[in-house]
Amino acid sequence: DTGVSQDPRHKITKRGQNVTFRCDPISEHNRLYWYRQTLGQGPEFLTYFQNEAQLEKSRLLSDRFSAERPKGSFSTLEIQRTEQGDSAMYLCASSPPRGTGELFFGEGSRLTVL
Amino acid sequence: AQSVTQLGSHVSVSEGALVLLRCNYSSSVPPYLFWYVQYPNQGLQLLLKYTSAATLVKGINGFEAEFKKSETSFHLTKPSAHMSDAAEYFCAVSDNNNNDMRFGAGTRLTVKP
Repeated sequence: DTGVSQDPRHKITKRGQNVTFRCDPISEHNRLYWYRQTLGQGPEFLTYFQNEAQLEKSRLLSDRFSAERPKGSFSTLEIQRTEQGDSAMYLCASSPPRGTGELFFGEGSRLTVL
Repeated sequence: AQSVTQLGSHVSVSEGALVLLRCNYSSSVPPYLFWYVQYPNQGLQLLLKYTSAATLVKGINGFEAEFKKSETSFHLTKPSAHMSDAAEYFCAVSDNNNNDMRFGAGTRLTVKP
């Protein structure tokens, strides 16, 4: 049994470059969530999917951010024209249908923008 | 909109002492409440959850929390701290449809020998 998997675990990029993160949820979990966590803060909600449908997006998700879950399985989070303020840990979580509210988190993808 | 406030960004206790981490919530609907723990360079792990059943919830590693509607609180406690409890603790709230989960800013627990 594998948990939520995120790739890459660490990414260092230069300002202005595009980056993409991938999340593989737990098998049969229909909901998938993206959060951003900066140093000393709690996770901030970005967006979530139910199957392939993106149901909610935070205002934190500017037009440089896009998330997809094309087949209702894995998801990608792309950040275009990265800025230093994008440096953070990007967390992915999933939850099963008819669950009791618990989210299962991956270990995160840490982004450093130079 | 739902939110949680964690009182105290840093709590330090001696090994064997009582651990008390405070969380107050705000929700317009009956909330689901959670405590997660995060160890360095790791993801968040669920400690315990309240989903409208018993108000005193027991979790892993000897932690428990009590839901108090009148005080809008969900404080986390452990009778006797262990060195391995040193970590970041996050309180979180969601609605019963789990449309999104909102986290507090976290409390860093330090355990002194």
